Amino acid sequence: EPEVTQTPSHQVTQMGQEVILRCVPISNHLYFYWYRQILGQKVEFLVSFYNNEISEKSEIFDDQFSVERPDGSNFTLKIRSTKLEDSAMYFCASSNTGQGYEQYFGPGTRLTVT
Amino acid sequence: RKEVEQDPGPFNVPEGATVAFNCTYSNSASQSFFWYRQDCRKEPKLLMSVYSSGNEDGRFTAQLNRASQYISLLIRDSKLSDSATYLCVVGPRGGSYIPTFGRGTSLIVHP
Repeated sequence: EPEVTQTPSHQVTQMGQEVILRCVPISNHLYFYWYRQILGQKVEFLVSFYNNEISEKSEIFDDQFSVERPDGSNFTLKIRSTKLEDSAMYFCASSNTGQGYEQYFGPGTRLTVT
Repeated sequence: RKEVEQDPGPFNVPEGATVAFNCTYSNSASQSFFWYRQDCRKEPKLLMSVYSSGNEDGRFTAQLNRASQYISLLIRDSKLSDSATYLCVVGPRGGSYIPTFGRGTSLIVHP
């Protein structure tokens, strides 16, 4: 069964450093998403991406965040200057039936900012 | 009122029991509704979509009540493996397609 993959599974970084989280969505999917989940809290939408551009972003997705689809398979989330409060699980998801419809999540990257 | 509200539980039930969760949503313009399951420290996994007519998948039944703005999930004949957190997801809202997640309802099925 096709699945979304993410690397690394765990990233530890120092405050102020840049991190890039990587995702490989399901191959025939067209819509891509990033979410975060702070430990013990709800899943929060960050950004959606379609046709090589951002479709929507939340208020969390400020100027320190960016997304890119550098080739036909990868989808990345970059955090330019990490803060302690960026520590969370970051999930990538993809779907093939339009925004808001069934999404398939990757296993997540646990980001720890020290 | 929170956008998507769920009773956090935990719901502690014996194997074989029937258990039901509700989820209320605040935006009447919401168009799509889902139940996801999340195991501890794992990713959310789509359990089922919720349609106006209701839908059933094996032991799981989902219902939508637009008038009262809630969706429900019924699990029959609970298994130990059903132990997880069940997330209610609502979207889109208004002109946006951003899905909103509830905080989840924790289910513990014991022998």
